[in-house]
Amino acid sequence: GAVVSQHPSRVICKSGTSVKIECRSLDFQATTMFWYRQFPKQSLMLMATSNEGSKATYEQGVEKDKFLINHASLTLSTLTVTSAHPEDSSFYICSATQGFDYGYTFGSGTRLTVV
Amino acid sequence: AQTVTQSQPEMSVQEAETVTLSCTYDTSESDYYLFWYKQPPSRQMILVIRQEAYKQQNATENRFSVNFQKAAKSFSLKISDSQLGDAAMYFCAYPAGGTSYGKLTFGQGTILTVHP
Repeated sequence: GAVVSQHPSRVICKSGTSVKIECRSLDFQATTMFWYRQFPKQSLMLMATSNEGSKATYEQGVEKDKFLINHASLTLSTLTVTSAHPEDSSFYICSATQGFDYGYTFGSGTRLTVV
Repeated sequence: AQTVTQSQPEMSVQEAETVTLSCTYDTSESDYYLFWYKQPPSRQMILVIRQEAYKQQNATENRFSVNFQKAAKSFSLKISDSQLGDAAMYFCAYPAGGTSYGKLTFGQGTILTVHP
């Protein structure tokens, strides 16, 4: 079946630094990638939607300059948390789709801790 | 905007028993998809079941089945013969535009505990 590889699974960074999270579709072309944020025991909140070769569409309230999303190819999308602060500590999940009737494939998530 | 509501923050069930998780949603679409996802402690999102609104028959996947009431905009998940491995957080989800590939709106989630 379709697989999305998300790395790193865990990362600890210092406040003020930037962190990049990668999601790769291993055996299919991800025309659309979704990025979610999840706090413990809470739901997934959509941050942005990206289509290959286009600028990402951010949800209301999500800072575009803090959460940089790049979807340069049909198999790779990245989320960069810039100038990270402790309040950015969270679990980030990507999800990819090929389009009509293929459904969604989720990455395994990244636990980000900013100290 | 679509809303998805799960009114049960936590549920518990005895092993081998049956449990039903509730979900209601709001949409103006006439045809759409609905999903149930499971998130175990590993936090990997796993598709449990998918329902297409135009289909009269409720979707079933082994021990998992749904009770889809289109007029009431209700989409509950029934887990039969519960197993310890069913313990997880369950999310109901609705895709934008009702499609099978639009951005998903998730409910608040229900934490299911299975007692041996």
